[in-house]
Amino acid sequence: EDQVTQSPEALRLQEGESSSLNCSYTVSGLRGLFWYRQDPGKGPEFLFTLYSAGEEKEKERLKATLTKKESFLHITAPKPEDSATYLCAVQAREYGNKLVFGAGTILRVKS
Amino acid sequence: EADIYQTPRYLVIGTGKKITLECSQTMGHDKMYWYQQDPGMELHLIHYSYGVNSTEKGDLSSESTVSRIRTEHFPLTLESARPSHTSQYLCASTALGTGGAVNTEAFFGQGTRLTVV
Repeated sequence: EDQVTQSPEALRLQEGESSSLNCSYTVSGLRGLFWYRQDPGKGPEFLFTLYSAGEEKEKERLKATLTKKESFLHITAPKPEDSATYLCAVQAREYGNKLVFGAGTILRVKS
Repeated sequence: EADIYQTPRYLVIGTGKKITLECSQTMGHDKMYWYQQDPGMELHLIHYSYGVNSTEKGDLSSESTVSRIRTEHFPLTLESARPSHTSQYLCASTALGTGGAVNTEAFFGQGTRLTVV
Protein backbone atom coordinates (compact mmCIF):
# COMPACT_ATOMS: atom_id res chain seq x y z
CA GLU A 1 0.00 0.00 0.00
CA ASP A 2 1.35 3.41 -0.96
CA GLN A 3 2.15 5.46 2.09
CA VAL A 4 1.87 8.85 0.39
CA THR A 5 -0.66 9.18 -2.41
CA GLN A 6 -1.12 12.25 -4.55
CA SER A 7 -4.09 12.98 -6.77
CA PRO A 8 -4.79 13.68 -9.49
CA GLU A 9 -1.73 12.38 -11.36
CA ALA A 10 -2.10 15.18 -13.87
CA LEU A 11 -4.23 18.31 -14.00
CA ARG A 12 -4.85 20.71 -16.85
CA LEU A 13 -6.26 24.13 -16.00
CA GLN A 14 -7.07 27.25 -17.90
CA GLU A 15 -5.38 30.39 -16.68
CA GLY A 16 -7.45 31.74 -13.80
CA GLU A 17 -9.23 28.44 -13.11
CA SER A 18 -8.69 27.65 -9.43
CA SER A 19 -8.29 24.08 -8.22
CA SER A 20 -6.78 21.86 -5.52
CA LEU A 21 -4.21 19.09 -5.39
CA ASN A 22 -4.47 16.34 -2.80
CA CYS A 23 -1.87 14.48 -0.77
CA SER A 24 -3.09 11.69 1.51
CA TYR A 25 -0.95 9.66 3.89
CA THR A 26 -1.46 6.55 5.98
CA VAL A 27 1.25 6.92 8.60
CA SER A 28 0.80 7.79 12.22
CA GLY A 29 3.15 9.96 14.18
CA LEU A 30 3.39 12.65 11.54
CA ARG A 31 6.28 15.02 12.17
CA GLY A 32 5.88 17.18 9.10
CA LEU A 33 4.32 17.37 5.65
CA PHE A 34 6.24 19.18 2.95
CA TRP A 35 5.17 20.54 -0.43
CA TYR A 36 7.70 20.99 -3.22
CA ARG A 37 7.55 22.28 -6.78
CA GLN A 38 9.69 20.55 -9.41
CA ASP A 39 10.35 21.93 -12.88
CA PRO A 40 11.48 19.53 -15.63
CA GLY A 41 15.13 18.53 -15.30
CA LYS A 42 15.57 20.33 -11.98
CA GLY A 43 15.61 19.45 -8.32
CA PRO A 44 12.53 20.03 -6.15
CA GLU A 45 12.08 23.53 -4.75
CA PHE A 46 10.67 23.86 -1.25
CA LEU A 47 7.25 25.52 -0.87
CA PHE A 48 5.69 24.78 2.54
CA THR A 49 6.00 22.78 5.72
CA LEU A 50 2.91 21.85 7.75
CA TYR A 51 3.24 20.27 11.18
CA SER A 52 -0.22 19.86 12.67
CA ALA A 53 -3.84 19.42 11.62
CA GLY A 54 -5.58 22.71 11.01
CA GLU A 55 -2.41 24.50 9.99
CA GLU A 56 -2.47 26.62 6.81
CA LYS A 57 0.28 28.41 4.91
CA GLU A 58 0.12 30.73 1.92
CA LYS A 59 2.54 31.93 -0.70
CA GLU A 60 1.35 34.04 -3.63
CA ARG A 61 -1.33 31.96 -5.42
CA LEU A 62 -0.70 28.83 -3.35
CA LYS A 63 -2.26 27.83 -0.06
CA ALA A 64 -1.51 24.57 1.75
CA THR A 65 -3.77 23.05 4.39
CA LEU A 66 -3.42 19.97 6.58
CA THR A 67 -5.88 17.57 8.20
CA LYS A 68 -5.14 14.38 10.12
CA LYS A 69 -4.87 12.23 6.99
CA GLU A 70 -4.40 14.58 4.05
CA SER A 71 -3.15 17.88 2.78
CA PHE A 72 -4.46 20.11 0.04
CA LEU A 73 -2.54 22.53 -2.12
CA HIS A 74 -5.02 25.13 -3.36
CA ILE A 75 -4.07 27.11 -6.43
CA THR A 76 -6.02 30.33 -6.89
CA ALA A 77 -6.22 31.94 -10.32
CA PRO A 78 -3.21 30.02 -11.67
CA LYS A 79 -0.91 31.38 -14.35
CA PRO A 80 1.08 29.45 -16.97
CA GLU A 81 4.24 29.89 -14.89
CA ASP A 82 2.63 27.77 -12.18
CA SER A 83 2.97 24.75 -14.50
CA ALA A 84 5.21 22.20 -12.79
CA THR A 85 5.10 18.93 -10.89
CA TYR A 86 4.01 19.40 -7.29
CA LEU A 87 5.44 16.89 -4.84
CA CYS A 88 4.26 16.06 -1.37
CA ALA A 89 6.56 14.48 1.20
CA VAL A 90 5.86 13.15 4.67
CA GLN A 91 8.17 12.80 7.64
CA ALA A 92 6.98 10.46 10.37
CA ARG A 93 8.28 8.54 13.35
CA GLU A 94 7.66 5.20 11.67
CA TYR A 95 9.88 6.26 8.75
CA GLY A 96 12.75 7.00 11.08
CA ASN A 97 12.29 10.68 10.30
CA LYS A 98 13.22 10.24 6.65
CA LEU A 99 11.17 11.98 3.97
CA VAL A 100 8.81 9.76 1.96
CA PHE A 101 7.62 11.30 -1.29
CA GLY A 102 4.45 10.88 -3.29
CA ALA A 103 4.59 10.46 -7.07
CA GLY A 104 3.54 14.05 -7.66
CA THR A 105 0.83 15.89 -9.59
CA ILE A 106 1.77 17.30 -12.98
CA LEU A 107 0.05 20.66 -13.37
CA ARG A 108 -0.33 22.37 -16.75
CA VAL A 109 -1.88 25.83 -16.92
CA LYS A 110 -2.84 27.05 -20.37
CA SER A 111 -3.31 30.69 -21.26
CA GLU B 1 18.22 30.36 -2.45
CA ALA B 2 19.61 26.94 -1.57
CA ASP B 3 23.39 26.48 -1.70
CA ILE B 4 23.64 22.86 -2.70
CA TYR B 5 25.44 21.86 -5.85
CA GLN B 6 25.62 18.70 -7.89
CA THR B 7 28.07 17.86 -10.63
CA PRO B 8 27.91 16.86 -13.33
CA ARG B 9 24.40 17.88 -14.45
CA TYR B 10 24.41 15.34 -17.25
CA LEU B 11 26.58 12.26 -17.73
CA VAL B 12 26.59 9.63 -20.46
CA ILE B 13 28.92 6.76 -19.72
CA GLY B 14 29.67 3.25 -20.95
CA THR B 15 28.79 0.05 -19.12
CA GLY B 16 31.37 -1.07 -16.58
CA LYS B 17 32.83 2.37 -15.89
CA LYS B 18 33.31 3.68 -12.38
CA ILE B 19 31.65 7.02 -11.73
CA THR B 20 31.31 9.45 -8.83
CA LEU B 21 28.49 11.96 -8.58
CA GLU B 22 29.43 14.98 -6.53
CA CYS B 23 27.24 16.86 -4.04
CA SER B 24 28.31 19.80 -1.92
CA GLN B 25 26.41 22.17 0.34
CA THR B 26 27.58 25.37 1.97
CA MET B 27 24.80 25.66 4.56
CA GLY B 28 26.50 23.60 7.27
CA HIS B 29 23.66 21.07 7.28
CA ASP B 30 24.27 17.87 9.18
CA LYS B 31 21.85 15.68 7.24
CA MET B 32 22.36 14.82 3.59
CA TYR B 33 20.47 12.49 1.29
CA TRP B 34 20.63 10.88 -2.14
CA TYR B 35 17.40 10.20 -4.01
CA GLN B 36 16.84 8.40 -7.29
CA GLN B 37 14.02 9.56 -9.54
CA ASP B 38 12.86 8.03 -12.80
CA PRO B 39 10.78 10.19 -15.18
CA GLY B 40 7.27 10.76 -13.84
CA MET B 41 7.96 8.70 -10.76
CA GLU B 42 8.40 9.49 -7.09
CA LEU B 43 11.73 10.12 -5.41
CA HIS B 44 13.25 7.07 -3.73
CA LEU B 45 15.79 7.44 -0.94
CA ILE B 46 18.95 5.42 -1.66
CA HIS B 47 21.42 6.79 0.91
CA TYR B 48 21.49 9.23 3.78
CA SER B 49 23.89 10.62 6.32
CA TYR B 50 23.28 12.31 9.65
CA GLY B 51 26.81 13.64 9.97
CA VAL B 52 30.49 13.04 9.30
CA ASN B 53 31.40 9.34 9.16
CA SER B 54 27.71 8.39 9.33
CA THR B 55 26.07 6.76 6.27
CA GLU B 56 23.01 4.55 5.94
CA LYS B 57 21.24 2.79 3.10
CA GLY B 58 17.83 4.11 2.20
CA ASP B 59 14.60 2.38 1.29
CA LEU B 60 15.47 1.59 -2.31
CA SER B 61 18.20 -0.97 -2.84
CA SER B 62 21.10 0.53 -4.71
CA GLU B 63 24.47 -0.76 -5.87
CA SER B 64 26.00 2.63 -5.21
CA THR B 65 28.07 3.63 -2.19
CA VAL B 66 28.51 6.95 -0.41
CA SER B 67 30.98 8.56 1.94
CA ARG B 68 30.81 11.51 4.33
CA ILE B 69 34.29 12.61 5.28
CA ARG B 70 33.42 16.30 5.46
CA THR B 71 30.15 17.93 6.51
CA GLU B 72 29.74 19.73 3.22
CA HIS B 73 30.53 16.87 0.85
CA PHE B 74 28.50 13.70 0.14
CA PRO B 75 29.68 11.93 -3.03
CA LEU B 76 27.93 8.89 -4.52
CA THR B 77 29.96 6.24 -6.35
CA LEU B 78 29.01 3.48 -8.75
CA GLU B 79 31.90 1.00 -9.08
CA SER B 80 30.60 -0.51 -12.32
CA ALA B 81 27.83 1.33 -14.11
CA ARG B 82 25.06 -0.63 -15.85
CA PRO B 83 22.16 0.49 -18.06
CA SER B 84 19.79 -0.21 -15.13
CA HIS B 85 21.51 2.66 -13.30
CA THR B 86 20.18 5.14 -15.85
CA SER B 87 18.14 7.65 -13.85
CA GLN B 88 18.16 11.09 -12.27
CA TYR B 89 20.05 11.35 -8.99
CA LEU B 90 19.10 14.13 -6.57
CA CYS B 91 21.09 15.22 -3.55
CA ALA B 92 19.45 17.04 -0.64
CA SER B 93 20.37 18.41 2.77
CA THR B 94 18.50 19.51 5.88
CA ALA B 95 19.35 21.22 9.11
CA LEU B 96 18.23 19.85 12.43
CA GLY B 97 14.89 21.31 13.43
CA THR B 98 14.07 22.66 16.87
CA GLY B 99 14.35 19.96 19.47
CA GLY B 100 16.79 18.05 17.28
CA ALA B 101 14.39 15.30 16.25
CA VAL B 102 12.40 17.03 13.55
CA ASN B 103 13.85 17.95 10.21
CA THR B 104 13.41 21.31 8.67
CA GLU B 105 12.73 21.44 4.96
CA ALA B 106 15.12 19.68 2.62
CA PHE B 107 17.01 21.70 0.01
CA PHE B 108 17.74 19.93 -3.24
CA GLY B 109 20.47 20.23 -5.82
CA GLN B 110 19.67 20.47 -9.51
CA GLY B 111 20.24 16.76 -10.02
CA THR B 112 22.51 14.61 -12.16
CA ARG B 113 20.91 12.87 -15.09
CA LEU B 114 22.90 9.68 -15.66
CA THR B 115 22.67 7.60 -18.81
CA VAL B 116 24.58 4.33 -19.03
CA VAL B 117 24.93 2.96 -22.54
